Amino acid sequence: DTTVKQNPRYKLARVGKPVNLICSQTMNHDTMYWYQKKPNQAPKLLLFYYDKILNREADTFEKFQSSRPNNSFCSLYIGSAGLEYSAMYLCASSRTGLAEQFFGPGTRLTVL
Amino acid sequence: GEQVEQLPSSLIVQEGASVLINCSYTDSASVYFPWYKQEPGKRLQFIIDIRSNMERKQTQRLTLLFDKKTKHLSLHITATQPGDSAIYFCSASKNYGSSGNKLIFGIGTLLSVKP
Repeated sequence: DTTVKQNPRYKLARVGKPVNLICSQTMNHDTMYWYQKKPNQAPKLLLFYYDKILNREADTFEKFQSSRPNNSFCSLYIGSAGLEYSAMYLCASSRTGLAEQFFGPGTRLTVL
Repeated sequence: GEQVEQLPSSLIVQEGASVLINCSYTDSASVYFPWYKQEPGKRLQFIIDIRSNMERKQTQRLTLLFDKKTKHLSLHITATQPGDSAIYFCSASKNYGSSGNKLIFGIGTLLSVKP
């Protein structure tokens, strides 16, 4: 099974409220990633977990948090959603090193 | 930081034609260049990659060329089919050792293949 799953597929949130997105994979991959994709823009890496080590990109460091309670699951947490967070959020996983990333279907977040 | 640019942003071809998608990057430390495609309504899917110690890689109807000097890649798709219609993304990554790869993506090239 090479599927990466994401829940929910669609999320509506109010400005100022928290948002929690979930990703799972059953490929026993070491690394899990979160990307943000806005229309007509490139997918942008937000953070990734290598095993239990979280790496957050410098320009989004304070905006997103994540947890990885076990190898299979990874969450993306927004403490206080703003309008600018409306986007597609893509989760991916890969084995160690320079390897193919397997993507989930994405969660479309709309902040109102 | 690294920037990845793709051209053209879109193209429309007749079935059976060949297409060329160009990609350039800025960081000479980048060593790994995977390409992904996203068909309408579907997830991003890996299609081909190349490393900086190679100049050419081919798989089925895809040929990926890499020029380290000019920091340029080109993806050649032959005998296109309507099923090739998708957004094609170029990406680049440095070598971060065993901790995974931080992909910097281009904005994508929308390919439409008309039957």
